[in-house]
Amino acid sequence: EAGVAQSPRYKIIEKRQSVAFWCNPISGHATLYWYQQILGQGPKLLIQFQNNGVVDDSQLPKDRFSAERLKGVDSTLKIQPAKLEDSAVYLCASSSLAGGNEQYFGPGTRLTVT
Amino acid sequence: GESVGLHLPTLSVQEGDNSIINCAYSNSASDYFIWYKQESGKGPQFIIDIRSNMDKRQGQRVTVLLNKTVKHLSLQIAATQPGDSAVYFCAGDWGGTSYGKLTFGQGTILTVHP
Repeated sequence: EAGVAQSPRYKIIEKRQSVAFWCNPISGHATLYWYQQILGQGPKLLIQFQNNGVVDDSQLPKDRFSAERLKGVDSTLKIQPAKLEDSAVYLCASSSLAGGNEQYFGPGTRLTVT
Repeated sequence: GESVGLHLPTLSVQEGDNSIINCAYSNSASDYFIWYKQESGKGPQFIIDIRSNMDKRQGQRVTVLLNKTVKHLSLQIAATQPGDSAVYFCAGDWGGTSYGKLTFGQGTILTVHP
């Protein structure tokens, strides 16, 4: 079974630029999550999708971050404009309804904002 | 609000020793706790989970203990191996109706010396 795929793996941008990350969850997983992991900290949930609907986005900075999952499969997370403090690893995870709480994580995208 | 903390940021052990990683949580009890292992450059990997109606759960070389009285969680790794070197996170699900909303602790760096 293929795992969660993310791209790009690394991205360096200047502040005020925009950036987008892509995630392809495990086939058949209805729930998709985006996390932000700042160096030295645990992941923080940004947004949770169930199929193509948002379940929770309470910790998403909506003035600059947006995410979509139009067909209930792939998802994109966008930052516009980026700030220095957005430098982090952005992790995507997915889970199946039958699998309970177990979330499977992708390798992440390391973003550096200069 | 909910928070998950760890007693020690780093832990060094000799190969073959048993390792114990601790985690404390505040506020109301989570329905569900999970331990994740994160190796450098990779996303978190599920190790073991435990529901709040249990005190102990065992897996292959790992045991999770939950003490709801003192709001404490621990991960025990038996016969620790160099391949166990990684950052270990505990996480709790306080999502309620937002099923799967995990809150992660900061992590403990486990180093296993041959």
